[in-house]
Amino acid sequence: DTGVSQDPRHKITKRGQNVTFRCDPISEHNRLYWYRQTLGQGPEFLTYFQNEAQLEKSRLLSDRFSAERPKGSFSTLEIQRTEQGDSAMYLCASSHDFGAAQNTEAFFGQGTRLTVV
Amino acid sequence: QKEVEQNSGPLSVPEGAIASLNCTYSDRVSQSFFWYRQYSGKSPELIMSIYSNGDKEDGRFTAQLNKASQYVSLLIRDSQPSDSATYLCAVKGDDGYALNFGKGTSLLVTP
Repeated sequence: DTGVSQDPRHKITKRGQNVTFRCDPISEHNRLYWYRQTLGQGPEFLTYFQNEAQLEKSRLLSDRFSAERPKGSFSTLEIQRTEQGDSAMYLCASSHDFGAAQNTEAFFGQGTRLTVV
Repeated sequence: QKEVEQNSGPLSVPEGAIASLNCTYSDRVSQSFFWYRQYSGKSPELIMSIYSNGDKEDGRFTAQLNKASQYVSLLIRDSQPSDSATYLCAVKGDDGYALNFGKGTSLLVTP
């Protein structure tokens, strides 16, 4: 399967613990996005990578959140000192840069559902 | 704040009818527009993209864009019960890389 892959699919953690999620984008997709989605809402942008460079972060992103994309391949999203409000679906998406401002079709992985208890 | 507005629904249509989903956006310089379908508990699935004013057809789906009115819509012809899902409108501005999503419209196609 050559789609976006996320791991784990589900994570239950106790408040205050750290969690890390992994995303493997579609091969040769140099753009990678992280989004968060809660029930009844659309996905909320968290951060964006082009290759290994983190080019954009949401101003709403807490300092407890950090993301990396070493070598421009897979990416990890870490949440430190989790809070109950962090419970959500964390979605990763990837797209290919054709060099134009347009044509940024992004494809999502299955998501990681986080529950903080 | 770049807003993307959708009627949350639910929009109920009988099987075989045309479903019309609408979306407005606030950022006048937006360049790229996308429709995603999301089944309950699943991740969004890209179904249409549109970049220029006018209509774009793909099978039973037609996306319509009117940049002057800051309006984008999705028509689903011959609606099927399997089309029942939440439809998310996503907009990308000329600056930045983020897709801004609406809250989605819930569509119910009744047999």
